[in-house]
Amino acid sequence: AQKVTQAQTEISVVEKEDVTLDCVYETRDTTYYLFWYKQPPSGELVFLIRRNSFDEQNEISGRYSWNFQKSTSSFNFTITASQVVDSAVYFCALNPGTSGTYKYIFGTGTRLKVLA
Amino acid sequence: AAGVIQSPRHLIKEKRETATLKCYPIPRHDTVYWYQQGPGQDPQFLISFYEKMQSDKGSIPDRFSAQQFSDYHSELNMSSLELGDSALYFCASSSLDRGHGGQETQYFGPGTRLLVL
Repeated sequence: AQKVTQAQTEISVVEKEDVTLDCVYETRDTTYYLFWYKQPPSGELVFLIRRNSFDEQNEISGRYSWNFQKSTSSFNFTITASQVVDSAVYFCALNPGTSGTYKYIFGTGTRLKVLA
Repeated sequence: AAGVIQSPRHLIKEKRETATLKCYPIPRHDTVYWYQQGPGQDPQFLISFYEKMQSDKGSIPDRFSAQQFSDYHSELNMSSLELGDSALYFCASSSLDRGHGGQETQYFGPGTRLLVL
């Protein structure tokens, strides 16, 4: 079965704190793709990162970093020194690339509230 | 850079009416996807098109239909609307990277917020 689990429904932090959003996925495919999207209150889905299953290097982009571990089927997202503008719902998504389907399977999302 | 365009952005309909949502993909993207996001829920895949042919189908009701036109824009037609169809409808586009057995990243439009009264 293909599944994405984001166990944290809502997280509240105070500005400048670091926060990690968890994502655990299930797939039988050997090649797959993982994504993170941000959905601010305005509603659009903003692409943050894409990771291929064969590339386990962690990635850092400014205050954002991602930790991909195939051994635990996890693709966690850390925001360092959080800001109020980071307040949004964050979705982790899986694309099982070799199953002949290209749709995304989303997790249920984590609502992040950053308090000033 | 050009993004995915969706119209209308907001739509209010009565039960049993019909609605048509339009999506204009990023230039040179050949694949279009439709997702439905209910209140407080994650986006659910409805249907996708590659080079004007349906490529995948998800939990799309029989009352809904969609197509992709020669200019690659897509339309989602919804008939006999129900209260439960009230949702945010996203269109996304990508270039299908069949050579590597996967796809490029899907870029989402701003969504059409449909309210059925």
